Amino acid sequence: QSALTQPASVSASPGQSITISCTGTSSDIGNYNLVSWYQQHPGKVPNLMIYEGTKRPSGISNRFSGSKSGNTASLTISGLQAEDEADYYCCSYAGSSTWVFGGGTKLTVL
Amino acid sequence: EVQLVQSGAEVQKPGQSLKISCKGSGYTFTGYFIAWVRQMPGKGLEWMGLIYPGDSDTKYSPSFQGQVTISADKYISTAYLQWSSLKASDTAMYYCARGRQALDYWGQGTLVTVSS
Repeated sequence: QSALTQPASVSASPGQSITISCTGTSSDIGNYNLVSWYQQHPGKVPNLMIYEGTKRPSGISNRFSGSKSGNTASLTISGLQAEDEADYYCCSYAGSSTWVFGGGTKLTVL
Repeated sequence: EVQLVQSGAEVQKPGQSLKISCKGSGYTFTGYFIAWVRQMPGKGLEWMGLIYPGDSDTKYSPSFQGQVTISADKYISTAYLQWSSLKASDTAMYYCARGRQALDYWGQGTLVTVSS
């Protein structure tokens, strides 16, 4: 059971859009619609941003969206704001009550 | 209001045992699993395992199998993570979180420091 693969870092200017990829296998992302994304600011508790691949919890801005194609899930943030600067983690169900996180992506808003 | 409240920070010596807790409130404790997540200093999130409090069915990630024990007492809505013999490499922040399709509520984290 290996960690999902995310880019270590991404950066963009305010107002732009970014997409963070999360690559797994046919045993996790490719086999289940149970990908979630978490935002973590330094020293803070992770916060759920997207669940079941595309759904936003109540209170999460519609600037955040999720998608999936094959074994790869993606998180897109549009209209970047300074407050979006954080670490982002994907997570997928992998069957038999096992779950796996990605390695995390540091988003820098220039 | 859903809350997961974790026990306080711990400083322990290598070889000692430790049990930290996570108390849920504001929801039906047995209706969700509780996951434990490790975050080593400056590193990412790692899924350790989960427990279904209703029947205490437990599933560990391979990296943590045999290294820790997850348990729960549904009558007091509390989940636990314990070590029988701590190592310096166990130094980390440990989070509990409530889950079904995703981890929607998280505890505040328990910082465990293992140092001689």
